[in-house]
Amino acid sequence: NAGVTQTPKFRILKIGQSMTLQCTQDMNHNYMYWYRQDPGMGLKLIYYSVGAGITDKGEVPNGYNVSRSTTEDFPLRLELAAPSQTSVYFCASSSGGSGNTIYFGEGSWLTVV
Amino acid sequence: AQSVSQHNHHVILSEAASLELGCNYSYGGTVNLFWYVQYPGQHLQLLLKYFSGDPLVKGIKGFEAEFIKSKFSFNLRKPSVQWSDTAEYFCAVSSGGYNKLIFGAGTRLAVHP
Repeated sequence: NAGVTQTPKFRILKIGQSMTLQCTQDMNHNYMYWYRQDPGMGLKLIYYSVGAGITDKGEVPNGYNVSRSTTEDFPLRLELAAPSQTSVYFCASSSGGSGNTIYFGEGSWLTVV
Repeated sequence: AQSVSQHNHHVILSEAASLELGCNYSYGGTVNLFWYVQYPGQHLQLLLKYFSGDPLVKGIKGFEAEFIKSKFSFNLRKPSVQWSDTAEYFCAVSSGGYNKLIFGAGTRLAVHP
C-alpha cells in the first residue's frame, strides 16, 4: 500500500545546479500537488495538477517547473537552484476537488549550498 | 487572500492534561477545514476534517474540533493527551474546486510523561 512516494528523501545541491524531485502515486488520483515547508512556516503550494497534461501555478511557483504526462507521476524540476529553495518538499494527491482527502508523501529534504 | 492563523507556535503539556489548539481563518465564503498532524520524521496525516453538517467533528486518536462560523474558528481539542501525541499540528483551509490547501504555520506540541 504505497500511496504517495517521493524520491530522493535527502539531497544537497550546489547553487546553480538543477534537479528533479520525483513523485508517484498508486491510487489513481487525478489531483496532485507540490508543497514546500520552511522552518516555522506552514506548507505553501508550488504547483498543482488536476489531471494528465494539466498543470497550474500555486502560491510560490518561481524557480520551479512541473509536468504531468501520466496520472501517476508529477515531477518537480528545480532550475538554477538557489539557497532560498532550501526546504522540505511534499508531494500530495487526492481523488478529486473540494471535499476529498489529500494524501501526502513523506517529504524530500533539499539543501542548496 | 485567504490566510490561516494558529495562535500557539509551541505548547508543552504533561500527560493527561487537556489540549486546545486555536485556529482562525480569513475567508467569508464556504470553506472546508482540516487538521493535519506530522509526527517526528513522518509525513502529514489527516486528523479530521469539516465540510458541512455537525460543527463538532470527531477525528482519529480521540481528537475533535469545533467549527464556529461566527468566529471563523476551527479549534482542535483533546481531553487527555498522551506522550505519543507529541507532534506538529497544522490547521488548513480550502475553498473552490481544486482542493488547494492554505496552511497555518503549525503548532509544535510536546507532551512530557
